[in-house]
Amino acid sequence: DAKTTQPTSMDCAEGRAANLPCNHSTISGNEYVYWYRQIHSQGPQYIIHGLKNNETNEMASLIITEDRKSSTLILPHATLRDTAVYYCIVSRNTGNQFYFGTGTSLTVIP
Amino acid sequence: KAGVTQTPRYLIKTRGQQVTLSCSPISGHRSVSWYQQTPGQGLQFLFEYFSETQRNKGNFPGRFSGRQFSNSRSEMNVSTLELGDSALYLCASSLNGDRVYGPEAFFGQGTRLTVV
Repeated sequence: DAKTTQPTSMDCAEGRAANLPCNHSTISGNEYVYWYRQIHSQGPQYIIHGLKNNETNEMASLIITEDRKSSTLILPHATLRDTAVYYCIVSRNTGNQFYFGTGTSLTVIP
Repeated sequence: KAGVTQTPRYLIKTRGQQVTLSCSPISGHRSVSWYQQTPGQGLQFLFEYFSETQRNKGNFPGRFSGRQFSNSRSEMNVSTLELGDSALYLCASSLNGDRVYGPEAFFGQGTRLTVV
């Protein structure tokens, strides 16, 4: 699986959009970009994933650059409950193990 | 549908004791994997079970063991507890365990184990 690089921490004002970047310059053609989040002392939660097109669901939007070397997770209207560690993972998703890096600790400020 | 259930949620044990943690997967899911999460080491894979068979094992000492029952519920056991075993223990369930990422696999809430 390709390596990803994320900022260690970010702040976002409540009600504003939170934009979380992820670099994955070594991504290969059959690898997907997955985003998870983990609220303190709970299990990781799947958010969204994509291959090359932008994706949107009820939780977030995922923007993948045309060269697929980076992506951005967008939480359109951040709430205090969105405070969590966000993990960006690049994988072909053919194994039976999860691998998470250190992620981005997002703090939503009132 | 009901989510992945881990019990207990919190546990305090003394060094040298043993502990058993339980994980009930999503109904119909046959794969259960276990992870240890600590601030220093992040998420580390312990083992994966599918249809009562351990298919994969991480790099943990033999004090860590597990099993899976015919109803897919799984338990993990840690014997002779050490202070360093204090961690959040997570289990994840998926249908077949061959593609874990994505919306079809789920984590439990975890068991917070503290060894004193």
